[in-house]
Amino acid sequence: SQKIEQNSEALNIQEGKTATLTCNYTNYSPAYLQWYRQDPGRGPVFLLLIRENEKEKRKERLKVTFDTTLKQSLFHITASQPADSATYLCAFRSISGGYNKLIFGAGTRLAVHP
Amino acid sequence: GAVVSQHPSWVICKSGTSVKIECRSLDFQATTMFWYRQFPKQSLMLMATSNEGSKATYEQGVEKDKFLINHASLTLSTLTVTSAHPEDSSFYICSARARTDYNEQFFGPGTRLTVL
Repeated sequence: SQKIEQNSEALNIQEGKTATLTCNYTNYSPAYLQWYRQDPGRGPVFLLLIRENEKEKRKERLKVTFDTTLKQSLFHITASQPADSATYLCAFRSISGGYNKLIFGAGTRLAVHP
Repeated sequence: GAVVSQHPSWVICKSGTSVKIECRSLDFQATTMFWYRQFPKQSLMLMATSNEGSKATYEQGVEKDKFLINHASLTLSTLTVTSAHPEDSSFYICSARARTDYNEQFFGPGTRLTVL
């Protein structure tokens, strides 16, 4: 079955450093991947989308890469700030049975320390 | 733009009662809405997909008679948890899909349900 995996362990980094989160997927070749931020007790907020023919996408301090050979996406936050502390989810869109739905990873919790 | 609201944001109810959660797309029309459930430290699990004016499609293992979904208009979907039990306590999140090139989905803030 289609599966998406993220490092379940929390990532702790010092303020100002670059945070790198990993998302791996199996049994599927998504046309694009999405990254979301989720704060405790809140719904996910869309951050970035990267298509399979794009190697890299940037938005302010965020950068996403997509390696279809490795079946992996990396999410980077440069010059991290304590306000970046949250859980980050990756997702891809699956089309099966005529229905179009997002498959989410479990998320990686990022803690940025002052 | 692209705001999705949910009401209530939290609810506590007694076992055996029914609870209704509303999901609205505030500034766009959503032909498709999704309902997710999330347990602590776990991923969002899709419960059902609903298209305006038609019956919802439930994911495997989700009881359609227990989780009633109504998508009566392009901006409103409701989830009713019938005869709620403590094991139904969870964080319920709705999502609405916009008509964009990539079928972007926008999520509501979630509803915390606690069944005593």
